[in-house]
Amino acid sequence: EADIYQTPRYLVIGTGKKITLECSQTMGHDKMYWYQQDPGMELHLIHYSYGVNSTEKGDLSSESTVSRIRTEHFPLTLESARPSHTSQYLCASSDLRKNYGYTFGSGTRLTVV
Amino acid sequence: KNEVEQSPQNLTAQEGEFITINCSYSVGISALHWLQQHPGGGIVSLFMLSSGKKKHGRLIATINIQEKHSSLHITASHPRDSAVYICAVTTGTASKLTFGTGTRLQVTL
Repeated sequence: EADIYQTPRYLVIGTGKKITLECSQTMGHDKMYWYQQDPGMELHLIHYSYGVNSTEKGDLSSESTVSRIRTEHFPLTLESARPSHTSQYLCASSDLRKNYGYTFGSGTRLTVV
Repeated sequence: KNEVEQSPQNLTAQEGEFITINCSYSVGISALHWLQQHPGGGIVSLFMLSSGKKKHGRLIATINIQEKHSSLHITASHPRDSAVYICAVTTGTASKLTFGTGTRLQVTL
């Protein structure tokens, strides 16, 4: 049973298009994150939020932007997609008071052609 | 030197074997996390530890805070355990994860 939902699961899009990757969680977690992962490689934090109207850039420079208008929703937007943006994008949320701490979404695999 | 080191990087085992994956870290932590990622799949959080030992089914995770070391054990391994296992830590009051490089486990029949 998924408590964090990412859509779409797969996306193929042309260069220059604007795209928004959706992420929603039903657990009421304040902290949410976006990670980027190339196949077989490590995860890199690109954005995070500690609550509504709070967003910060992560450790890896990214041309994407995020917003956090509601606790449950943390969308990521690319204004103009490029082939270098081809990657998997994973959304996560956390509450370190809970047993497992982190919950990850299933990811969006983005291909820019 | 990475703040979080895992060993081995790759591991092949036969079904039924007892498996150990090790994680060492060099910073003070608030918690250590073990994550599992199947090929092409999302990530599942297996354990969050700040001390001692936790068990869930065939999986056991231990941590030694003094030695800055954690182990993930899989008893009676099965091909469905084949995945990448990732050790990660959170430090201080921040909740951001610092990841190890992962251990790729292949369990064969």
